[in-house]
Amino acid sequence: NAGVTQTPKFQVLKTGQSMTLQCAQDMNHNSMYWYRQDPGMGLRLIYYSASEGTTDKGEVPNGYNVSRLNKREFSLRLESAAPSQTSVYFCASSSNYGYTFGSGTRLTVV
Amino acid sequence: RKEVEQDPGPFNVPEGATVAFNCTYSNSASQSFFWYRQDCRKEPKLLMSVYSSGNEDGRFTAQLNRASQYISLLIRDSKLSDSATYLCAVKENAGKSTFGDGTTLTVKP
Repeated sequence: NAGVTQTPKFQVLKTGQSMTLQCAQDMNHNSMYWYRQDPGMGLRLIYYSASEGTTDKGEVPNGYNVSRLNKREFSLRLESAAPSQTSVYFCASSSNYGYTFGSGTRLTVV
Repeated sequence: RKEVEQDPGPFNVPEGATVAFNCTYSNSASQSFFWYRQDCRKEPKLLMSVYSSGNEDGRFTAQLNRASQYISLLIRDSKLSDSATYLCAVKENAGKSTFGDGTTLTVKP
């Protein structure tokens, strides 16, 4: 099925560990995004990539890095995880007709 | 002031009721407007785009008021399955979208 695929779906990290969240889309979209969503809150943009080879900071970029590996893939890296990064992470891609989101990664940092 | 604001609710309505949500935006240069639906512990999914002339999809009607800078979503004959959080999104031309925090709807028997 066409769409956005995120891995892993669940992850528990210890404080200070690092990890990379993977995201791939097969809709040939230029723009891709990483959001976090905390309980009872809206989506907050971490980073986005308007096209292959470009990335820009969003609202809450501190503690994260991204890589737009090619048109399909956009990864999010936590270099040194902190409890404040416990959240649900959504990757998305977009066209003029709106966003398509991945199913999310539930990350807990203990 | 947030760029995109929604009444968080919750809206609790009986089955069959008509319910309306509003969403205001601050950037008058915004070009595209959308409503998304998010079920508990799931990803947001596009519900419908909002066009200047207004548009309807079954029981759902979306409208745009550029002069007052708000969009609305009307749900008629509410079903239990309509219970969800509804997010509005506003996009500048060729830019990224800004999402509201969402309005929670619970439809009760």
